Amino acid sequence: DSGVTQTPKHLITATGQRVTLRCSPRSGDLSVYWYQQSLDQGLQFLIQYYNGEERAKGNILERFSAQQFPDLHSELNLSSLELGDSALYFCASTTQGNSYNEQFFGPGTRLTVL
Amino acid sequence: AQKVTQAQTEISVVEKEDVTLDCVYETRDTTYYLFWYKQPPSGELVFLIRRNSFDEQNEISGRYSWNFQKSTSSFNFTITASQVVDSAVYFCALSEGTEETSGSRLTFGEGTQLTVNP
Repeated sequence: DSGVTQTPKHLITATGQRVTLRCSPRSGDLSVYWYQQSLDQGLQFLIQYYNGEERAKGNILERFSAQQFPDLHSELNLSSLELGDSALYFCASTTQGNSYNEQFFGPGTRLTVL
Repeated sequence: AQKVTQAQTEISVVEKEDVTLDCVYETRDTTYYLFWYKQPPSGELVFLIRRNSFDEQNEISGRYSWNFQKSTSSFNFTITASQVVDSAVYFCALSEGTEETSGSRLTFGEGTQLTVNP
């Protein structure tokens, strides 16, 4: 158990809908990362937050947004969902937001868009 | 731009065989960090090892060993005397940069599916 929690574990929804994925980092970790794992794109970095502020951005679609709250938990919002958004979404956390910190991953949220 | 290549999509071995998973990376930075993660069938990503670009010493941890060669931009992972429980997808990843404010991200390879048969 990495100490990173993600809810829900599974999510099934329809095209055009909006969903929110939640992540709680390990105790003491200030930085949160979001990744998407799909069959065709592999594991891709979406976005990083550090102590409430956005720090780095990857190939995150405009339909997706994220934030980190004062209690350091983070939410990833996915809107106008398409079939291609079906994937496993991981959250990871580190103590600081530096490149040398190993990232500890949560169990993931499996999103299925029908 | 950084890139990680794991050319072996799938490897199948019989228990007790040794197996090496290849990882080749590309980066323009002189300071960078390399990682290996394991993704068992249950789906979570488990951190295995981190290496920085200034430390080329090989590392051994039990049945696992890692060979970092800067000259060939490779960071290979060997499992000695493989076991059925080693069956998983293994990912190599790269992180660049040292500035605290520049953020960080992991660039993952495509992963290698290792199947260890009894």
